[in-house]
Amino acid sequence: AQSVTQPDIHITVSEGASLELRCNYSYGATPYLFWYVQSPGQGLQLLLKYFSGDTLVQGIKGFEAEFKRSQSSFNLRKPSVHWSDAAEYFCAVEMFPGGGADGLTFGKGTHLIIQP
Amino acid sequence: DGGITQSPKYLFRKEGQNVTLSCEQNLNHDAMYWYRQDPGQGLRLIYYSQIVNDFQKGDIAEGYSVSREKKESFPLTVTSAQKNPTAFYLCATRGGLETQYFGPGTRLLVL
Repeated sequence: AQSVTQPDIHITVSEGASLELRCNYSYGATPYLFWYVQSPGQGLQLLLKYFSGDTLVQGIKGFEAEFKRSQSSFNLRKPSVHWSDAAEYFCAVEMFPGGGADGLTFGKGTHLIIQP
Repeated sequence: DGGITQSPKYLFRKEGQNVTLSCEQNLNHDAMYWYRQDPGQGLRLIYYSQIVNDFQKGDIAEGYSVSREKKESFPLTVTSAQKNPTAFYLCATRGGLETQYFGPGTRLLVL
């Protein structure tokens, strides 16, 4: 069965420091990959997505992610975090976007805490 | 003002009661989805609909029902058969091959 793993439940980073959130997936083929962010009590906002092509993708709010096929990973990075980046981050995958039967499969999320 | 609206923001259910969560969109998207979010569990798919008058069960459909009579609307009913309904419910839509966009959510609490 397909699965998404976010190994870190919580991560604490100092403001201005760099950030990397990990995501690994288990699929028979390369899925379509997404990162979403959720502020408390809110819906999810898409940060970035990977469908094909350049394996380094740029997103909103200064985030980027790199797809590594050999490691089945899609890690999210930001060179310098701001206090407003404190939120829950979800990695998600889908095999057949727009036509697939199953919708998105989500990891359990990583809670990002920013220290002043 | 375009987008996805979910109502109410908070909903309280009594024992044995059915409750309905509303999801409305004016994005003209064909596909709509319902997800349930529990702390530390991520999001899990309840039901989805790719066209009007058609819907499919997701991973955790037991205790829930949906309808899709209009393109703009995809209400979710939490029935009395759902024994642990307390959660945050998120509706999402998709147009064609685009990514899914999420509504603001409804928090369901049991009295």
